[in-house]
Amino acid sequence: SQTIHQWPATLVQPVGSPLSLECTVEGTSNPNLYWYRQAAGRGLQLLFYSVGIGQISSEVPQNLSASRPQDRQFILSSKKLLLSDSGFYLCAWKGAGQGLETQYFGPGTRLLVL
Amino acid sequence: GQNIDQPTEMTATEGAIVQINCTYQTSGFNGLFWYQQHAGEAPTFLSYNVLDGLEEKGRFSSFLSRSKGYSYLLLKELQMKDSASYLCAVLPYGQNFVFGPGTRLSVLP
Repeated sequence: SQTIHQWPATLVQPVGSPLSLECTVEGTSNPNLYWYRQAAGRGLQLLFYSVGIGQISSEVPQNLSASRPQDRQFILSSKKLLLSDSGFYLCAWKGAGQGLETQYFGPGTRLLVL
Repeated sequence: GQNIDQPTEMTATEGAIVQINCTYQTSGFNGLFWYQQHAGEAPTFLSYNVLDGLEEKGRFSSFLSRSKGYSYLLLKELQMKDSASYLCAVLPYGQNFVFGPGTRLSVLP
């Protein structure tokens, strides 16, 4: 069966510091991978998605970047955090073939920028 | 573009039945999905409709009418643990998921 991991679970960082959040998926090959952000009491905002190694698409201009160094690894980064980067960051995966449309979420990383 | 509407909040009593509606505007999509999200946790997949009609999964059922741009999630025999946000989402052809704002359901004793 497939599982998705994210770490860390919680992070408190000062403004201007760098960020690296990691997501890994097990039990599947060539998944589509996604990074979402959810601000407190708000909906899901798609940040990045990837259909393969080294292939990253950005949905909104922002202070963040993403990378996919391996098939089942997706990393979200920032060089200098802003207060507005606080939120709940969710990684998700979806099968790449037809009939594999359901998206599954990791446990999330709660980021607080002070 | 796509737009998804859901009621912001709903309240129901333990043991009752509640229907959470979702309306959307999109020209075509691969499926309509419902997710449950407890406070402070990640969304978990509940159901997926491709064709018109009702999909039943235990206490939860989901209905889709493509012609009307309408779906609902039906929760029966409500339990306290069903208090959560319920997210409606569509997967438009050749595009990424579009999530609704979510409906926060409170189940009262």
